[in-house]
Amino acid sequence: AQKITQTQPGMFVQEKEAVTLDCTYDTSDPSYGLFWYKQPSSGEMIFLIYQGSYDQQNATEGRYSLNFQKARKSANLVISASQLGDSAMYFCAMREGRVERDDKIIFGKGTRLHILP
Amino acid sequence: DTGVSQDPRHKITKRGQNVTFRCDPISEHNRLYWYRQTLGQGPEFLTYFQNEAQLEKSRLLSDRFSAERPKGSFSTLEIQRTEQGDSAMYLCASSPDRWTETQYFGPGTRLLVL
Repeated sequence: AQKITQTQPGMFVQEKEAVTLDCTYDTSDPSYGLFWYKQPSSGEMIFLIYQGSYDQQNATEGRYSLNFQKARKSANLVISASQLGDSAMYFCAMREGRVERDDKIIFGKGTRLHILP
Repeated sequence: DTGVSQDPRHKITKRGQNVTFRCDPISEHNRLYWYRQTLGQGPEFLTYFQNEAQLEKSRLLSDRFSAERPKGSFSTLEIQRTEQGDSAMYLCASSPDRWTETQYFGPGTRLLVL
């Protein structure tokens, strides 16, 4: 079973509109972290936002916010006032906190976001 | 503060050749990770180091792959007897400690095996 599911392979959004990128996750570990990364065509992975499983409030970073619904195991990324430079691949990812030695990030398959002028 | 750097950025090789990639983490980051990303997929974990100790290896890391971090600073990833299926982007990331929130990624090395 997939640990991270991103159901939207691609999205087209008009510039200046808000956009929500969906992500659901699967874990039995009570301690975990959720990430969103942006990957432009240049290839580097750019960290956007992080949410810890015990965080009471939704994470926000500038125009990015993470809509964390723990009971639904959902961690959607919301980008407000989209810009042309937001066009990129977006990955949802999770790190589980099982044991000290198990320190890897598991990525979803990504959503390609196209911002239209 | 410089970010994670990787060298080379691109590599084209013939099947059967050996290749070696280098990763320089952010200064004083004691954790270093290698991931592989194929076209249309998210990155997949290969291995990670805490200082010079290699703590975990994915089953994706066949015996043709070897990674080292001899002095706990830079790391190398070697692929022996390359196969066409090894063609991918190889990403390196670093983080300062286990409880940090973020792994910072380098620009990647894009490998093409002909």
